[in-house]
Amino acid sequence: AQTVTQSQPEMSVQEAETVTLSCTYDTSESDYYLFWYKQPPSRQMILVIRQEAYKQQNATENRFSVNFQKAAKSFSLKISDSQLGDAAMYFCAYRSPGSQGNLIFGKGTKLSVKP
Amino acid sequence: NAGVTQTPKFQVLKTGQSMTLQCAQDMNHNSMYWYRQDPGMGLRLIYYSASEGTTDKGEVPNGYNVSRLNKREFSLRLESAAPSQTSVYFCASSRGLFYEQYFGPGTRLTVT
Repeated sequence: AQTVTQSQPEMSVQEAETVTLSCTYDTSESDYYLFWYKQPPSRQMILVIRQEAYKQQNATENRFSVNFQKAAKSFSLKISDSQLGDAAMYFCAYRSPGSQGNLIFGKGTKLSVKP
Repeated sequence: NAGVTQTPKFQVLKTGQSMTLQCAQDMNHNSMYWYRQDPGMGLRLIYYSASEGTTDKGEVPNGYNVSRLNKREFSLRLESAAPSQTSVYFCASSRGLFYEQYFGPGTRLTVT
């Protein structure tokens, strides 16, 4: 069974600085999808970025980018120029093409942004 | 455009009571999902509906039933609530099973 591990329960970053959140996963499949979701105090789950495993190029969405290392089964999220509104729980998630859409989530990393 | 809406936002039940959580989406999505989120955990899939008229079990279906009432609505029913079902429940929808999922705001359920 696939598993997703986020080894950093909490992280802190200074406003305007850069922070990297770690995620590793375990799978025997070669084709899959990876996601980062943000959950602010409002509880709403917001998709931040996605990566298809067959794409070698790392996904980027404005200040958010990933470092996808397929061989190492690592999928880290980099947030540049951190803003106060980035403070939230961040969840890494895995989806297999054969999983009928089921997302497997890590336990999350709580990010604090200091002014 | 409301996206995915859930009612109620909060609910307290006593052990053995029943209730239905409602979810609706206005994005014309085919697939809908119910997840639960427990403290210190990521979300876990309870049930999903690939398309109108179909439902299937997810990772943690015991104690729950679902109904895909129409394309817009997907409800989750607890027939006899137990304290272990205290959790935050999220509904999500997607264009299809392999497209991005969009989540509702969640329902915080406490069973005493």
